[in-house]
Amino acid sequence: EPEVTQTPSHQVTQMGQEVILRCVPISNHLYFYWYRQILGQKVEFLVSFYNNEISEKSEIFDDQFSVERPDGSNFTLKIRSTKLEDSAMYFCASTGGQISNQPQHFGDGTRLSIL
Amino acid sequence: QQPVQSPQAVILREGEDAVINCSSSKALYSVHWYRQKHGEAPIFLMILLKGGEQKGHDKISASFNEKKQQSSLYLTASQLSYSGTYFCGTESRPGNTPLVFGKGTRLSVIA
Repeated sequence: EPEVTQTPSHQVTQMGQEVILRCVPISNHLYFYWYRQILGQKVEFLVSFYNNEISEKSEIFDDQFSVERPDGSNFTLKIRSTKLEDSAMYFCASTGGQISNQPQHFGDGTRLSIL
Repeated sequence: QQPVQSPQAVILREGEDAVINCSSSKALYSVHWYRQKHGEAPIFLMILLKGGEQKGHDKISASFNEKKQQSSLYLTASQLSYSGTYFCGTESRPGNTPLVFGKGTRLSVIA
C-alpha cells in the first residue's frame, strides 16, 4: 500500500540553525500538509499546500517557516533559526484526488530536537 | 476551535467495550478518527461525513450527529491491539481542509 515517507526520522540541531524536513507524499495525491505534535500533546496544523502554493496556514506558521515542492515528488518544510520550542514531532500528510474530504495519510514523522 | 474529547483516558480489560466522544461548538462537515501508538504516526480509522451516518470497521464503528456536532467512536470487544491514543480531527467545510484535532483519549487495554 502506498505510504507517505519522511526523512530524517530524527534530527538533532543546535538552536539558531536551519533545518529542512523532507516528505514524499503518496504519488497521486494533490493536497499536502505539515502538522506538528509536541510531546504528549495534540496534533497541530501548520500549513497546507495545493496546486504549488500554500492554501492555508496556522498562527504557528510564521516567517520562520517555509514550504516547498522543489520537484514532482518531494515536499519540504524549512525552519530557519530554530528555537527550543520548535522541538516536536513533525508529521507530513497527504490526501488526494478531486473528491472532497478524503482521509489524510500521515508519514511516520520526524522527531526534531533543538539543543 | 478545537473539538473536545471525552473521556481523557480509559482503561479496559480485553473484551470490554468503550465509547469515545468528540464534540465541537462549531458546525462540522466531517469528523476523522485516528489511532496513534506511542512514538508512531496517527493511523486513519474512518471518516464520518455530514449526514449522521454510522460506519463500521471490524469491531470499531462510529457515528456523527450533525445537529449536536458530536461524533462517537465505539470500540467493541476490545483487544490488546486497540491500546493507543484516539484523536478526532474535524473539518468545518468541504474541500480537503486541514484537520483540527482534539487532545486525544488514551485507551489502555489490559489482559
